[in-house]
Amino acid sequence: SQTIHQWPATLVQPVGSPLSLECTVEGTSNPNLYWYRQAAGRGLQLLFYSVGIGQISSEVPQNLSASRPQDRQFILSSKKLLLSDSGFYLCAWSPQGFNTGELFFGEGSRLTVL
Amino acid sequence: GDSVTQMEGPVTLSEEAFLTINCTYTATGYPSLFWYVQYPGEGLQLLLKATKADDKGSNKGFEATYRKETTSFHLEKGSVQVSDSAVYFCALRRGYQKVTFGTGTKLQVIP
Repeated sequence: SQTIHQWPATLVQPVGSPLSLECTVEGTSNPNLYWYRQAAGRGLQLLFYSVGIGQISSEVPQNLSASRPQDRQFILSSKKLLLSDSGFYLCAWSPQGFNTGELFFGEGSRLTVL
Repeated sequence: GDSVTQMEGPVTLSEEAFLTINCTYTATGYPSLFWYVQYPGEGLQLLLKATKADDKGSNKGFEATYRKETTSFHLEKGSVQVSDSAVYFCALRRGYQKVTFGTGTKLQVIP
């Protein structure tokens, strides 16, 4: 069966510090991968998605970046965090190709920027 | 572009009350529709889905019917429990397009 894990689960970082959140998927090949952010009291905002290694699409211009160095690994990064980067970050995957569109989410990473 | 509109929360109900969370969408063609649930401190998980008009998705006592004529996918449950307290997200996807989520509706069930 397929599983998705992301870490760390909780992170407290000072403004201006770097960020690296990691996500890995097991039990499937060539998945679509996604990073979402959920700010307090708000809905889900798609940040990045990837359909293959090295292929990243950005949905929202900001100081975050994403990389996909391996087929089932997706990394969210920042060189300098802002207060507004605080939130709950969710990684998700879906099968490649046409399907019913279900997304499978990780457990989430809560980032607090102070 | 595609969009999903959900009723604003929070919704507070007593245990065993009837639940309705409204969801309407805007999209061309025939999207697939979803309800996801997020329990406190966790990621989202799929609750139910419907892939074509008039389909009814159901799971754990929750139901939603894909109404093409009213572009709606309202979530219902006949008798809620405290354990149903969570945030519920309505979502759609058209073909290969990305999934579009509503803003979420927080449900609190009190004993």
